[in-house]
Amino acid sequence: GQSLEQPSEVTAVEGAIVQINCTYQTSGFYGLSWYQQHDGGAPTFLSYNALDGLEETGRFSSFLSRSDSYGYLLLQELQMKDSASYFCAVLAGTGFQKLVFGTGTRLLVSP
Amino acid sequence: NAGVTQTPKFQVLKTGQSMTLQCAQDMNHEYMSWYRQDPGMGLRLIHYSVGAGITDQGEVPNGYNVSRSTTEDFPLRLLSAAPSQTSVYFCASSSRYEQYFGPGTRLTVT
Repeated sequence: GQSLEQPSEVTAVEGAIVQINCTYQTSGFYGLSWYQQHDGGAPTFLSYNALDGLEETGRFSSFLSRSDSYGYLLLQELQMKDSASYFCAVLAGTGFQKLVFGTGTRLLVSP
Repeated sequence: NAGVTQTPKFQVLKTGQSMTLQCAQDMNHEYMSWYRQDPGMGLRLIHYSVGAGITDQGEVPNGYNVSRSTTEDFPLRLLSAAPSQTSVYFCASSSRYEQYFGPGTRLTVT
C-alpha cells in the first residue's frame, strides 16, 4: 500500500522557523516533492528531492533520507503569507505522473 | 502562456447525470493528470496520461473515463454521477517532476 504521514497542523509566529515532517511507505519511490496550497487555490510546486540531503530554495529548504523513508520541509523567516497547507508527495512510478500525496499540514502563522 | 486551464469552475449535477470536465495546457507538456481533493484531504490520482493516445489508471479511477487525442487536451468524463463524486477536481501537467495545476472545478452531486 501507499501511506504518507504528516502532522495535521502546525502554528508559528512571524519570523520564526518551522519544520514539517513527512514519513512515507510506498511500493515505489523515485523522489519526494512538496506543494503549497492556499485556501481555495491550486497546489503549487515548492521543491523536489530525488537524492538524500538538503535542497535550498530561498526561505524554503527540503530534506530527504531515503534509508529512513523520511523527509521534511523547513520554512525560515516565516511571513503571514506562508499560512497555507503543505503537502508532501512521493513520486511512486517511473513516469512523472504517479504522485501519491499526504493528507497535508495546515500552517498557521500569527503576528 | 495561460498554463493549465479548467472549465467549468463550478458545477452541480443530479445523481445519474453525466458530464465532461475540460482541461487544456499550452506548455507542450507530455504528462497530464487528474486528481480529486476531498475536504481536509490530500489529492488522489484518478487517471493520467504520458502522451497523446496513452492513458492509465491512478488510485481512484472507478466512475471516470479519460482520453487524450491531442497533447493540449485531457478531458475527464463522469459516466453516471454519484454523491460520492462531490469533490474538487484538479488537472495538472508536467514535463518532469514539477506539476503545474489548473485552478480546479468544484463539483457537487445531489
